[in-house]
Amino acid sequence: ELKVEQNPLFLSMQEGKNYTIYCNYSTTSDRLYWYRQDPGKSLESLFVLLSNGAVKQEGRLMASLDTKARLSTLHITAAVHDLSATYFCAVDQAAGNKLTFGGGTRVLVKP
Amino acid sequence: NAGVTQTPKFQVLKTGQSMTLQCAQDMNHNSMYWYRQDPGMGLRLIYYSASEGTTDKGEVPNGYNVSRLNKREFSLRLESAAPSQTSVYFCASSEVLAGGFEQFFGPGTRLTVL
Repeated sequence: ELKVEQNPLFLSMQEGKNYTIYCNYSTTSDRLYWYRQDPGKSLESLFVLLSNGAVKQEGRLMASLDTKARLSTLHITAAVHDLSATYFCAVDQAAGNKLTFGGGTRVLVKP
Repeated sequence: NAGVTQTPKFQVLKTGQSMTLQCAQDMNHNSMYWYRQDPGMGLRLIYYSASEGTTDKGEVPNGYNVSRLNKREFSLRLESAAPSQTSVYFCASSEVLAGGFEQFFGPGTRLTVL
């Protein structure tokens, strides 16, 4: 059974500093996805990582995938208040294009 | 282009009542999904449909049934609601990419079972 674990569960950030969220998963997969969820809202796709060594960047966010280590990281550079949200990683179970989600990392950026 | 739409947005049921959650997508996607999200947790897959006419169980299918009415619509039915089914329900559809896919989510239905 595929398990996906994120840490930390909660991250209190100071504006202007850098932080990293980690996503570990238990079985072989080459496909990992990052989503953002604002309170009371739906999920917004951030990054789609489809191969070992994949790196994607958008603004202050950068995601990478190491399939050998079964690890993805989401790096936040110079945090700003607008990045406050819950971030989820999800791993493709391969058959049927099904996703298994991590428990989420709640990010709060303080001035 | 509305993307993925869900109705209703909110619903309160009494234990034992039944209801159907509706989902439609206008992106011509083959695959559609139903997830539930409990407070402070990630999403868990209830059922999915890889193509029109097919459905399969996900991680937490007990107490639910689904119907893939056509390529656009995928409904989720609770036959006899229980308090444990209080949750936020998200429908999604997926677009095939080279080497993978991308899922697009609807706005969610907040369901409370008393």
